[in-house]
Amino acid sequence: GEDVEQSLFLSVREGDSSVINCTYTDSSSTYLYWYKQEPGAGLQLLTYIFSNMDMKQDQRLTVLLNKKDKHLSLRIADTQTGDSAIYFCAESIGNYQLIWGAGTKLIIKP
Amino acid sequence: DSGVTQTPKHLITATGQRVTLRCSPRSGDLSVYWYQQSLDQGLQFLIHYYNGEERAKGNILERFSAQQFPDLHSELNLSSLELGDSALYFCASSAGTAEGAFFGQGTRLTVV
Repeated sequence: GEDVEQSLFLSVREGDSSVINCTYTDSSSTYLYWYKQEPGAGLQLLTYIFSNMDMKQDQRLTVLLNKKDKHLSLRIADTQTGDSAIYFCAESIGNYQLIWGAGTKLIIKP
Repeated sequence: DSGVTQTPKHLITATGQRVTLRCSPRSGDLSVYWYQQSLDQGLQFLIHYYNGEERAKGNILERFSAQQFPDLHSELNLSSLELGDSALYFCASSAGTAEGAFFGQGTRLTVV
């Protein structure tokens, strides 16, 4: 069945770039998403990419999609303490279904 | 503000009881999803409704049920509650477009 996998934790130094990776199995995905969840809050859509795109940039965020390898990544440039959160990758498949990764907890070291 | 409203924000109840969680989707969104998030765990998909009809079921227990009403708001009913049902319950709504799903702030359920 469909599956989305992410590492559970990522630790980076403040000011460095963070790269959060995600792999998925369903090649029929139409859109792929990155969501951010801060402590005690709901999930907030950060960005998305259409499956026929390779890259999307939005200020400090860069999304790369390798459709051949079914690999999605989110790069956060100049990581700040406010970027501490759990980041979820999700893919949209048919029938309005969303398949979610388990989330990557981004830890920022001073 | 995502436009998705969940009530109540917090709920404390005893084992064996029954509770109802409510979700009002964003204006115009026909899809409503329910998720459970336990401490330090990812999202567990429970159920998806589209325009009043059940579209997909995830790992939803038989003690749990949901419905979507003609005005598109949705309710998640949890019965015979157990300690392990303590979690954050999220509702999300979607228009089925590239925008993806928009989440409410969640209902934190504590079963004591």
